[in-house]
Amino acid sequence: EVQLLESGGNLVQPGGSLRLSCAASGLTFSNYAMNWVRQAPGKGLEWVSAITTTGDTTYYADSVKGRFTISRDTSENTLSLQMNSLRAEDTAVYYCAARRPYYGLDVWGQGTTVTVSS
Amino acid sequence: DIQMAQSPSTLSASVGDRVTITCRASQTIRSYLAWYQQKPGKAPKVLIHKASSLENGVPSRFSGSESGTEFTLTISSLQPDDFGTYYCQQYNSYPHSFGEGTKLEIK
Repeated sequence: EVQLLESGGNLVQPGGSLRLSCAASGLTFSNYAMNWVRQAPGKGLEWVSAITTTGDTTYYADSVKGRFTISRDTSENTLSLQMNSLRAEDTAVYYCAARRPYYGLDVWGQGTTVTVSS
Repeated sequence: DIQMAQSPSTLSASVGDRVTITCRASQTIRSYLAWYQQKPGKAPKVLIHKASSLENGVPSRFSGSESGTEFTLTISSLQPDDFGTYYCQQYNSYPHSFGEGTKLEIK
């Protein structure tokens, strides 16, 4: 079964840090560009970050650039998102999602919740 | 950055109705557009990629089309299970922006 499983979501104070992880199984991890997409409570989807199949190039939304870092470990089939200097507006469900070349995001995790509050 | 203008924001329709949702890109995206359906409390599910290619297992009542920078998702005959929120996403260039979403409710 193809599966992405996120972990690491938690309650954190403004200015704090958190690291999200996503474990992939049932798919050829190296064939997929990996993404993080978030959804604030009651809001729409926001693309956050992506990393290429080889891991050599990363992309970020302006809202997180300089604060978040995406990385992947192909040997462990895992994706990570290091989030620093967290703000209240980063509060959201964070989804890990995988995309093959020319396709949409066709594999999604169940999401992990990040709450930034004092 | 490319902006995706999606309309309408909400839609109420009856079973059997033909429903259309539109996304307009602020510049060319060369057909690199996907449509997703999201049910409450669940992760999104991709329906269509490359503007008009139906994903495996998605009912044939769903279809996608394009005309220049305008993209349309059509449900030919609405079924009760089609409620939810629909999003478009361009993946031609980063950031891979989403539309604002269309909440579809069944009358």
